[in-house]
Amino acid sequence: GAGVSQTPSNKVTEKGKYVELRCDPISGHTALYWYRQSLGQGPEFLIYFQGTGAADDSGLPNDRFFAVRPEGSVSTLKIQRTERGDSAVYLCASSPTAGSQETQYFGPGTRLLVL
Amino acid sequence: SQQGEEDPQALSIQEGENATMNCSYKTSINNLQWYRQNSGRGLVHLILIRSNEREKHSGRLRVTLDTSKKSSSLLITASRAADTASYFCATDRNGGSQGNLIFGKGTKLSVKP
Repeated sequence: GAGVSQTPSNKVTEKGKYVELRCDPISGHTALYWYRQSLGQGPEFLIYFQGTGAADDSGLPNDRFFAVRPEGSVSTLKIQRTERGDSAVYLCASSPTAGSQETQYFGPGTRLLVL
Repeated sequence: SQQGEEDPQALSIQEGENATMNCSYKTSINNLQWYRQNSGRGLVHLILIRSNEREKHSGRLRVTLDTSKKSSSLLITASRAADTASYFCATDRNGGSQGNLIFGKGTKLSVKP
Protein backbone atom coordinates (compact mmCIF):
# COMPACT_ATOMS: atom_id res chain seq x y z
CA GLY A 1 0.00 0.00 0.00
CA ALA A 2 0.91 3.65 -0.14
CA GLY A 3 1.50 4.06 3.56
CA VAL A 4 1.19 2.47 6.97
CA SER A 5 -2.36 1.51 7.80
CA GLN A 6 -3.87 0.67 11.16
CA THR A 7 -7.15 -0.95 12.06
CA PRO A 8 -9.46 -0.22 13.67
CA SER A 9 -9.34 3.58 13.68
CA ASN A 10 -11.20 3.64 16.95
CA LYS A 11 -11.87 0.95 19.51
CA VAL A 12 -14.13 1.22 22.54
CA THR A 13 -14.01 -1.63 25.00
CA GLU A 14 -14.89 -2.40 28.57
CA LYS A 15 -12.44 -2.81 31.40
CA GLY A 16 -11.18 -6.38 31.56
CA LYS A 17 -11.72 -7.18 27.89
CA TYR A 18 -9.11 -8.31 25.36
CA VAL A 19 -8.27 -6.19 22.31
CA GLU A 20 -6.15 -6.60 19.19
CA LEU A 21 -4.79 -3.71 17.18
CA ARG A 22 -3.46 -4.31 13.70
CA CYS A 23 -0.71 -2.59 11.74
CA ASP A 24 0.07 -2.99 8.03
CA PRO A 25 3.51 -1.50 7.36
CA ILE A 26 4.83 -0.18 4.08
CA SER A 27 5.66 -3.10 1.82
CA GLY A 28 9.30 -4.11 2.09
CA HIS A 29 9.97 -2.32 5.37
CA THR A 30 11.73 -4.72 7.72
CA ALA A 31 11.48 -2.60 10.87
CA LEU A 32 8.15 -2.02 12.60
CA TYR A 33 7.56 0.02 15.74
CA TRP A 34 4.67 0.41 18.17
CA TYR A 35 4.23 3.56 20.23
CA ARG A 36 1.53 4.73 22.62
CA GLN A 37 0.49 8.36 22.93
CA SER A 38 -1.55 9.77 25.78
CA LEU A 39 -3.32 13.09 25.53
CA GLY A 40 -0.90 16.01 25.60
CA GLN A 41 2.15 13.76 25.53
CA GLY A 42 4.61 12.63 22.91
CA PRO A 43 4.60 9.07 21.60
CA GLU A 44 6.10 6.53 24.00
CA PHE A 45 7.99 3.55 22.62
CA LEU A 46 6.51 0.11 23.29
CA ILE A 47 8.21 -2.49 21.08
CA TYR A 48 9.96 -2.85 17.77
CA PHE A 49 10.46 -5.69 15.32
CA GLN A 50 13.26 -6.36 12.92
CA GLY A 51 11.70 -8.90 10.59
CA THR A 52 9.67 -11.41 12.55
CA GLY A 53 11.48 -11.07 15.86
CA ALA A 54 10.93 -8.53 18.61
CA ALA A 55 14.30 -6.76 18.78
CA ASP A 56 13.37 -4.63 21.79
CA ASP A 57 10.23 -4.99 23.89
CA SER A 58 11.51 -2.98 26.84
CA GLY A 59 8.76 -0.37 26.44
CA LEU A 60 5.86 -2.74 27.04
CA PRO A 61 4.37 -1.58 30.36
CA ASN A 62 3.55 -5.03 31.73
CA ASP A 63 2.77 -8.60 30.71
CA ARG A 64 -0.76 -7.72 29.64
CA PHE A 65 0.77 -6.29 26.48
CA PHE A 66 2.10 -8.52 23.73
CA ALA A 67 2.85 -8.06 20.05
CA VAL A 68 3.56 -10.40 17.17
CA ARG A 69 4.72 -10.16 13.59
CA PRO A 70 4.66 -13.79 12.43
CA GLU A 71 5.47 -13.28 8.74
CA GLY A 72 7.58 -10.16 9.02
CA SER A 73 4.88 -7.90 7.64
CA VAL A 74 1.59 -7.30 9.47
CA SER A 75 1.86 -6.86 13.23
CA THR A 76 -0.76 -7.22 15.93
CA LEU A 77 -0.58 -5.58 19.33
CA LYS A 78 -2.58 -7.52 21.89
CA ILE A 79 -3.77 -6.18 25.21
CA GLN A 80 -5.28 -8.52 27.79
CA ARG A 81 -7.51 -7.53 30.70
CA THR A 82 -7.66 -3.93 29.56
CA GLU A 83 -7.61 -1.17 32.16
CA ARG A 84 -8.86 2.41 31.92
CA GLY A 85 -5.25 3.59 31.99
CA ASP A 86 -4.65 1.79 28.69
CA SER A 87 -6.79 4.39 26.93
CA ALA A 88 -4.55 6.17 24.42
CA VAL A 89 -3.73 6.42 20.74
CA TYR A 90 -1.61 3.46 19.63
CA LEU A 91 0.70 4.38 16.78
CA CYS A 92 2.53 2.06 14.46
CA ALA A 93 5.50 3.05 12.31
CA SER A 94 7.75 1.28 9.84
CA SER A 95 11.11 1.99 8.29
CA PRO A 96 13.16 0.28 5.56
CA THR A 97 15.60 -1.04 8.17
CA ALA A 98 16.13 -0.49 11.86
CA GLY A 99 18.27 2.42 12.89
CA SER A 100 17.99 5.92 14.28
CA GLN A 101 19.16 7.32 10.94
CA GLU A 102 16.03 6.00 9.28
CA THR A 103 12.85 7.97 8.74
CA GLN A 104 9.93 6.31 10.46
CA TYR A 105 6.64 6.35 8.57
CA PHE A 106 3.69 6.50 10.91
CA GLY A 107 0.17 5.18 10.51
CA PRO A 108 -2.87 7.23 11.57
CA GLY A 109 -3.14 5.38 14.86
CA THR A 110 -5.84 3.46 16.70
CA ARG A 111 -7.64 5.43 19.38
CA LEU A 112 -8.42 3.01 22.21
CA LEU A 113 -10.94 3.92 24.87
CA VAL A 114 -11.41 1.60 27.84
CA LEU A 115 -14.60 2.27 29.76
CA SER B 1 9.93 7.86 29.85
CA GLN B 2 10.30 11.10 27.93
CA GLN B 3 13.83 11.89 26.78
CA GLY B 4 13.34 15.48 25.88
CA GLU B 5 11.43 18.58 26.62
CA GLU B 6 10.16 20.94 23.96
CA ASP B 7 9.92 24.61 24.68
CA PRO B 8 7.57 26.39 24.48
CA GLN B 9 4.67 24.00 25.09
CA ALA B 10 2.46 26.24 22.95
CA LEU B 11 3.20 28.98 20.47
CA SER B 12 0.78 31.27 18.66
CA ILE B 13 1.95 33.49 15.82
CA GLN B 14 0.63 35.36 12.79
CA GLU B 15 1.04 34.05 9.28
CA GLY B 16 4.33 35.23 7.79
CA GLU B 17 6.18 35.30 11.10
CA ASN B 18 8.93 32.87 12.02
CA ALA B 19 8.37 30.14 14.61
CA THR B 20 11.17 28.78 16.77
CA MET B 21 10.82 25.66 18.87
CA ASN B 22 13.47 24.25 21.16
CA CYS B 23 14.18 20.74 22.36
CA SER B 24 16.45 19.55 25.14
CA TYR B 25 17.45 15.95 25.74
CA LYS B 26 19.25 14.06 28.46
CA THR B 27 21.60 11.42 27.08
CA SER B 28 24.13 11.23 24.28
CA ILE B 29 22.62 10.67 20.85
CA ASN B 30 23.52 9.56 17.35
CA ASN B 31 20.74 11.43 15.58
CA LEU B 32 17.89 13.80 16.36
CA GLN B 33 14.72 13.98 14.32
CA TRP B 34 11.81 16.41 14.18
CA TYR B 35 8.30 15.23 13.45
CA ARG B 36 5.03 17.02 12.92
CA GLN B 37 1.59 15.81 14.00
CA ASN B 38 -1.80 17.09 12.92
CA SER B 39 -4.89 16.56 15.02
CA GLY B 40 -3.32 14.03 17.38
CA ARG B 41 -2.95 11.28 14.79
CA GLY B 42 -0.06 10.09 12.58
CA LEU B 43 3.31 11.80 12.67
CA VAL B 44 5.20 13.01 9.62
CA HIS B 45 8.98 13.12 9.52
CA LEU B 46 10.40 16.59 8.84
CA ILE B 47 14.16 16.46 9.16
CA LEU B 48 17.01 14.49 10.70
CA ILE B 49 20.25 15.94 11.99
CA ARG B 50 23.22 13.79 12.91
CA SER B 51 25.25 14.29 16.07
CA ASN B 52 28.24 15.54 14.05
CA GLU B 53 26.16 18.19 12.27
CA ARG B 54 25.44 21.63 13.66
CA GLU B 55 22.84 22.94 11.25
CA LYS B 56 20.62 21.62 8.52
CA HIS B 57 18.09 23.18 6.15
CA SER B 58 15.08 21.81 4.32
CA GLY B 59 12.87 24.30 2.51
CA ARG B 60 11.49 26.69 5.13
CA LEU B 61 12.89 24.56 7.95
CA ARG B 62 16.17 25.15 9.72
CA VAL B 63 17.38 22.82 12.46
CA THR B 64 20.34 23.39 14.74
CA LEU B 65 21.98 20.97 17.14
CA ASP B 66 24.24 21.76 20.07
CA THR B 67 25.45 18.49 21.54
CA SER B 68 27.40 20.25 24.29
CA LYS B 69 24.14 21.73 25.59
CA LYS B 70 22.08 18.69 24.57
CA SER B 71 19.65 20.90 22.71
CA SER B 72 18.17 21.46 19.28
CA SER B 73 15.99 24.10 17.71
CA LEU B 74 13.57 24.04 14.81
CA LEU B 75 12.92 27.26 12.95
CA ILE B 76 10.03 27.57 10.51
CA THR B 77 10.36 30.69 8.41
CA ALA B 78 7.50 32.61 6.80
CA SER B 79 4.91 30.49 8.58
CA ARG B 80 1.60 29.57 6.99
CA ALA B 81 -1.75 28.64 8.50
CA ALA B 82 -1.11 25.10 7.22
CA ASP B 83 1.91 24.86 9.55
CA THR B 84 -0.50 24.68 12.49
CA ALA B 85 0.33 21.38 14.19
CA SER B 86 2.26 19.85 17.07
CA TYR B 87 6.00 19.46 16.59
CA PHE B 88 8.08 16.82 18.35
CA CYS B 89 11.76 16.15 18.59
CA ALA B 90 12.87 12.54 18.85
CA THR B 91 16.18 10.99 19.76
CA ASP B 92 17.53 7.48 19.80
CA ARG B 93 17.53 5.74 23.17
CA ASN B 94 20.66 6.12 25.29
CA GLY B 95 22.90 6.68 22.32
CA GLY B 96 21.83 3.46 20.70
CA SER B 97 21.27 3.19 17.00
CA GLN B 98 18.28 0.89 16.79
CA GLY B 99 15.66 3.46 15.96
CA ASN B 100 13.31 3.04 18.90
CA LEU B 101 12.88 6.73 19.42
CA ILE B 102 12.21 8.79 22.49
CA PHE B 103 9.91 11.74 21.88
CA GLY B 104 9.49 14.96 23.80
CA LYS B 105 6.08 16.30 24.81
CA GLY B 106 5.88 18.56 21.79
CA THR B 107 5.21 22.19 20.95
CA LYS B 108 1.73 23.06 19.80
CA LEU B 109 2.05 25.69 17.09
CA SER B 110 -0.91 27.81 16.01
CA VAL B 111 -0.48 30.06 12.98
CA LYS B 112 -3.26 32.58 12.59
CA PRO B 113 -4.12 33.75 9.06
